[in-house]
Amino acid sequence: EAGVTQSPTHLIKTRGQQATLRCSPISGHTSVYWYQQALGLGLQFLLWYDEGEERNRGNFPPRFSGRQFPNYSSELNVNALELEDSALYLCASSALTGTGANVLTFGAGSRLTVL
Amino acid sequence: AQSVTQPDIHITVSEGASLELRCNYSYGATPYLFWYVQSPGQGLQLLLKYFSGDTLVQGIKGFEAEFKRSQSSFNLRKPSVHWSDAAEYFCAVGHNKLIFGAGTRLAVHP
Repeated sequence: EAGVTQSPTHLIKTRGQQATLRCSPISGHTSVYWYQQALGLGLQFLLWYDEGEERNRGNFPPRFSGRQFPNYSSELNVNALELEDSALYLCASSALTGTGANVLTFGAGSRLTVL
Repeated sequence: AQSVTQPDIHITVSEGASLELRCNYSYGATPYLFWYVQSPGQGLQLLLKYFSGDTLVQGIKGFEAEFKRSQSSFNLRKPSVHWSDAAEYFCAVGHNKLIFGAGTRLAVHP
């Protein structure tokens, strides 16, 4: 079974540009989560999509946006890039367990560097 | 407010020694608790999880964790550490989105 796949692995952009990151969830998973892991800041929750809808959003400015496609894959878009957007962006997917809990499986991440 | 605290930023142990990584949480409802491990340049791998029932849970790679409701803690333990356990460990709490602690970086001396 293929895991969560993310692309690109690395991305270098300059300030003010836009970045697009992609995520394919595990087959059968309908929820996708995005996290930002910046140096020294731990994992910060960005966005949660389920069944094509945005379910929850973290404390990030509107220039961070995304969507989920009918095949449950997802895109994260970051507009007007700033230097502090440099980070590892992790995508996770999940399926409900019998107890109703979600177990998140993470991809390897996309490292965004803003120059 | 919901939060997770991992008091130890860095821990160094000798190979073969026992290990305990601390995790305290603040969560309004009955928590679902998780420990993940991240090797350099990698994503996060689930070590173990607690939903309900037996408060001592077993995970992969010989790890276990104990849920103590009275102390709002979910500490991770391993009786004998291997050099390959060197990594960063994250405790997390939540039902849908997860809230993560800042992580504990483990170094293992030969």
